[in-house]
Amino acid sequence: AQRVTQPEKLLSVFKGAPVELKCNYSYSGSPELFWYVQYSRQRLQLLLRHISRESIKGFTADLNKGETSFHLKKPFAQEEDSAMYYCALKGSGTYKYIFGTGTRLKVLA
Amino acid sequence: NAGVTQTPKFRILKIGQSMTLQCTQDMNHNYMYWYRQDPGMGLKLIYYSVGAGITDKGEVPNGYNVSRSTTEDFPLRLELAAPSQTSVYFCASSREAGGPAYEQYFGPGTRLTVT
Repeated sequence: AQRVTQPEKLLSVFKGAPVELKCNYSYSGSPELFWYVQYSRQRLQLLLRHISRESIKGFTADLNKGETSFHLKKPFAQEEDSAMYYCALKGSGTYKYIFGTGTRLKVLA
Repeated sequence: NAGVTQTPKFRILKIGQSMTLQCTQDMNHNYMYWYRQDPGMGLKLIYYSVGAGITDKGEVPNGYNVSRSTTEDFPLRLELAAPSQTSVYFCASSREAGGPAYEQYFGPGTRLTVT
């Protein structure tokens, strides 16, 4: 079955602490993985995609095919990182996302 | 450039009523999508379109219909609303079907309550 799992509904960390938002997936082909973010009162927007190997706002994510994971990491959390984060999978050759249930990140002062 | 716009923002329907959720994008994107998000759940694809005149079912199409007469507009029709259709509805669009620059652009959402 094709599935994206984000095991944590809520993750609270203190400002300056490291952050890791977990994402595991189940997919039989070659997936493309994405992280989307929704800040308060804003629309859902792309944060980063694994294919670009980029760092956006200090966040990185590495696709681990052996562990079928795509965890989102940031070494030092900022208060402005507080938001809802969604991991999404797109199968190669398709244009449809499968979304995880999301993790709410709260960065405490 | 407004991106993806959705109307209305909020709506309360009685059981059995019908309504159309509007979605418009001004980015000349070929691909458009409708999702619903139930509380505590991820977004689930209802319908999608790969261009004007072409639509197809997603994961949860029952109780909905769509049309795509123009590139810009992708309305979602609810017939005979049921409480199970209480949800937040998101419209999205993308320029491409894939590739290194693939990204979906989302509208602000419509919160629908059926009572």
